[in-house]
Amino acid sequence: KAGVTQTPRYLIKTRGQQVTLSCSPISGHRSVSWYQQTPGQGLQFLFEYFSETQRNKGNFPGRFSGRQFSNSRSEMNVSTLELGDSALYLCASFEGTEAFFGQGTRLTVV
Amino acid sequence: GIQVEQSPPDLILQEGANSTLRCNFSDSVNNLQWFHQNPWGQLINLFYIPSGTKQNGRLSATTVATERYSLLYISSSQTTDSGVYFCAALNQAGTALIFGKGTTLSVSS
Repeated sequence: KAGVTQTPRYLIKTRGQQVTLSCSPISGHRSVSWYQQTPGQGLQFLFEYFSETQRNKGNFPGRFSGRQFSNSRSEMNVSTLELGDSALYLCASFEGTEAFFGQGTRLTVV
Repeated sequence: GIQVEQSPPDLILQEGANSTLRCNFSDSVNNLQWFHQNPWGQLINLFYIPSGTKQNGRLSATTVATERYSLLYISSSQTTDSGVYFCAALNQAGTALIFGKGTTLSVSS
């Protein structure tokens, strides 16, 4: 079984731009969640989707949004990028209550 | 919400030494997992352990859910064990993993 796939792996964007990150879960997994990792704040929960419905959202500004498609693939979008959005973004899919993570997307905002 | 605390924050060992990493959580949880973050950032699953004890080679883990803590044991440590170890608890609703700040392990030869 293929693991969780995140694309792209690396991204460099300019302040003010927007970015879309993609996550394909393990086949059969319907729950996908996103996390942001920064040196200062550690790993923080962004949002979680199950069967195309957002069930939970972390404490992030409205510039951070996401969605899930009928095939369980998920995207997250960050609009009006700020320097502080530079981070490793990790996606997880769940088998029951066990999480499996992708390799992450490293976003640098310049 | 749930709070997860890990200790110690940093651990320096000589190859061959044993170590214990601790994870305390503030509320009852749906799940408790231990991860090792590789140099490229991916979180590698070590243990899915909401309760009880599991072993995998030189690593073992114990979760005492009633006392709200989990322990990760590394025996006969090797340089390849170096890196950051995270524990994470799944909230009661099953919708968010809450991470500790991690333990950075450095094993020297």
